[in-house]
Amino acid sequence: DAGVTQSPTHLIKTRGQQVTLRCSPKSGHDTVSWYQQALGQGPQFIFQYYEEEERQRGNFPDRFSGHQFPNYSSELNVNALLLGDSALYLCASSLTTSGGQGLEKLFFGSGTQLSVL
Amino acid sequence: DAKTTQPNSMESNEEEPVHLPCNHSTISGTDYIHWYRQLPSQGPEYVIHGLTSNVNNRMASLAIAEDRKSSTLILHRATLRDAAVYYCILRDPFNFGNEKLTFGTGTRLTIIP
Repeated sequence: DAGVTQSPTHLIKTRGQQVTLRCSPKSGHDTVSWYQQALGQGPQFIFQYYEEEERQRGNFPDRFSGHQFPNYSSELNVNALLLGDSALYLCASSLTTSGGQGLEKLFFGSGTQLSVL
Repeated sequence: DAKTTQPNSMESNEEEPVHLPCNHSTISGTDYIHWYRQLPSQGPEYVIHGLTSNVNNRMASLAIAEDRKSSTLILHRATLRDAAVYYCILRDPFNFGNEKLTFGTGTRLTIIP
């Protein structure tokens, strides 16, 4: 059973460019969340997708956008890259149940390390 | 979001028990206590969660204070593979916005061979 897979593993971009990161959730999961982790910090929530809609968003600018496809996979897009966008980007998947959120386990991928020069 | 406080770092000898503390004095009655850990070069992984009673699973035990203002993650016999950053997180399943995990800086656990 494949876990959460992210691609690419590493990426180097220059300021002002645009980037797309990809995530395939764990088999059987329907919900995908994205997190940004700066060096030495805990992950920070960017947004979550469920049923191809953005369900919840953290405190990130509109330069960060996402998409979820019918097969539950997801993309994170960042426009007009800044040096401060350099970080590890983590994707997490989970299963939304009728009982609501808050108790389900999140499964994380190993992340995409983005460097902006 | 209710906040948690953890020591920045801890060390333990291999094959010894490890007690990782977490303070959450503003915890609400419906907050669950979750623990995740992040091994080097990996994403976080779920460890355990609980509400009021102590919990055990194959990875660890969670001891929750009677007033719920603190909790302790217990690794019964630490191995070198347990070296990681451990995060204590509160989640309320009944409040909007609980879909996300709010991470602090966690406790970096070093295991001494």
